[in-house]
Amino acid sequence: AQSVTQLGSHVSVSEGALVLLRCNYSSSVPPYLFWYVQYPNQGLQLLLKYTSAATLVKGINGFEAEFKKSETSFHLTKPSAHMSDAAEYFCAVIGNNNDMRFGAGTRLTVKP
Amino acid sequence: GAGVSQTPSNKVTEKGKYVELRCDPISGHTALYWYRQSLGQGPEFLIYFQGTGAADDSGLPNDRFFAVRPEGSVSTLKIQRTERGDSAVYLCASSLVGSRVNNEQFFGPGTRLTVL
Repeated sequence: AQSVTQLGSHVSVSEGALVLLRCNYSSSVPPYLFWYVQYPNQGLQLLLKYTSAATLVKGINGFEAEFKKSETSFHLTKPSAHMSDAAEYFCAVIGNNNDMRFGAGTRLTVKP
Repeated sequence: GAGVSQTPSNKVTEKGKYVELRCDPISGHTALYWYRQSLGQGPEFLIYFQGTGAADDSGLPNDRFFAVRPEGSVSTLKIQRTERGDSAVYLCASSLVGSRVNNEQFFGPGTRLTVL
């Protein structure tokens, strides 16, 4: 069965600092992995996805993630945080029945 | 419309009542998904439609929950005899095709259900 685990329910960074949100996956088949962002009272928006092409995936808003099979990780990074990045971030993997399986989420706070 | 829409945006009901939540997917998307997001948690899968049929309903918590998609477009999630534990945000998503490869799901804003 496929699943993801997000380490850290809350991450706080200063504006301009590196953002690192951690996600580890478990999958019995080659995984298809996603990062979504959720702003307050809004739906989930896709940031980026990994579908077995390049291991370094670039997404919107300056975010990127690297698929590391040896570490079963798909961590999300951004070199320089902006105040507008404050939101909830979810890592997800496609399950056997095409359902999206989400982690518990990481709330990112950006301090001025 | 350009995106997935859900109505109502908020629903407050009393314990024991029946509710219906509606989802309008992106036009042309054959796959439709329902998820439930409880406070402080990630979305949890409920049911997946491919066309008019429920391809996987293994996430429905019990027989009080039911969903339909009679014409392969709009879907309705129905909850009978609501309980306080049903309070959550119910999210709908659609994708062009239902396959594991390249399955980008587009999410609606959700319906916040509160059972008093």
